[in-house]
Amino acid sequence: QVQLVESGGGVVQPGGSLRLSCAASGFTFSGYGMNWVRQAPGKGLEWVAFIRSDGSKIYYADSVKGRFTISRDNSKNTLYLQMNSLRPEDTAVYNCAKDPSHYGSGYYDCWGQGTLVTVSS
Amino acid sequence: DIQMTQSPSTLSASVGDRVTISCRASQNINSWLAWYQQKPGKAPKLLIYKASNLESGVPSRFSGSGSGTDFTLTISSLQPDDFATYCCQQYNSYPRTFGQGTKVELK
Repeated sequence: QVQLVESGGGVVQPGGSLRLSCAASGFTFSGYGMNWVRQAPGKGLEWVAFIRSDGSKIYYADSVKGRFTISRDNSKNTLYLQMNSLRPEDTAVYNCAKDPSHYGSGYYDCWGQGTLVTVSS
Repeated sequence: DIQMTQSPSTLSASVGDRVTISCRASQNINSWLAWYQQKPGKAPKLLIYKASNLESGVPSRFSGSGSGTDFTLTISSLQPDDFATYCCQQYNSYPRTFGQGTKVELK
């Protein structure tokens, strides 16, 4: 059974940093592209970042480019999101989401339940 | 960026009703559109990909149609488990973008 479990969320002050993790199980993690998608309170879904199965291609939303870094450790079946220079508008539930292909089909066939990040002083 | 606009924002319906949700893209996205179901506190669930392809395990009462800029999600006979929020997503280009969601509630 495919499972994605996020962790690492919490409360952080503006300008602070946080590292999210997504532990994958039930599938060959190294064979699939992965994404982070977030949802601010009362708002719609917002795609944040994508990483190809082997890490060779990475894309970011403009809203996080230069501040967030997506990475993966295929030996640990884990996806990461390093978030620096956090802003109040980054407050959201962050979900990891699996792509059905290694290169990035663009849609998401499995999602984690998410971890809440709150940026507030 | 491609803007995705859904209508209506909220839809009131009864069990057994046929429900239709619209999604419009601000430019041509061919058939690169997915639909998801969201319930509070739960992971989003993929229903439809490439505009009309039913994801494995999704009940056949769900269907998708459209191409270019106009798309539709239809639930042929609404079931109690279907009361949720539905959103569309384009994957024609980066950044991937989502509609704002349509909440299907009990009339």
